[in-house]
Amino acid sequence: SAVISQKPSRDICQRGTSLTIQCQVDSQVTMMFWYRQQPGQSLTLIATANQGSEATYESGFVIDKFPISRPNLTFSTLTVSNMSPEDSSIYLCSVEDPNTDTQYFGPGTRLTVL
Amino acid sequence: GENVEQHPSTLSVQEGDSAVIKCTYSDSASNYFPWYKQELGKRPQLIIDIRSNVGEKKDQRIAVTLNKTAKHFSLHITETQPEDSAVYFCAASRGRSWGKLQFGAGTQVVVTP
Repeated sequence: SAVISQKPSRDICQRGTSLTIQCQVDSQVTMMFWYRQQPGQSLTLIATANQGSEATYESGFVIDKFPISRPNLTFSTLTVSNMSPEDSSIYLCSVEDPNTDTQYFGPGTRLTVL
Repeated sequence: GENVEQHPSTLSVQEGDSAVIKCTYSDSASNYFPWYKQELGKRPQLIIDIRSNVGEKKDQRIAVTLNKTAKHFSLHITETQPEDSAVYFCAASRGRSWGKLQFGAGTQVVVTP
């Protein structure tokens, strides 16, 4: 399976600031996905990031709040903008393994907003 | 859009017994159904998945069944062990975008020795 890394692994931020999370994959993948997992909750898809095109956002998520970049087939970033305590969550990237058509998750970024 | 319901929310079993978690989905076009195991502080790990062209899949102590007519699928864990203790999530997706997963709420499984 693909090896996925994320940076940072965790961060504590002040409200009103922004944080950019990086996701790196050890192989080229067509689609990358960003999920949010609020404390004690399930996972919710934020957006789909395809290389060379605008990210596609799910209902309830907007580009101004969660801008995404996908500069190449192995890398993506998610920015959490103008943060509030409600943004405290684990943010996970995931990729499709093209060999198995299955989905794997990165280790996550644990964000705490004070 | 797709809605996935998962039951029970918590499940306590004695070591060696079986555990069953059930999920229902709303979108009849959904065709991919993975199960993830998440231990505390770790990422979700894919443990088994099933596609709509089969009704059952087994991998050692873990099995998944799918009933497309009733739109539900279940995870079966036999001979449970303490290391099976975790939160289990079911999910569903459709079409070629396997990664656009709609997750259930999760089941906290506790296996007591």
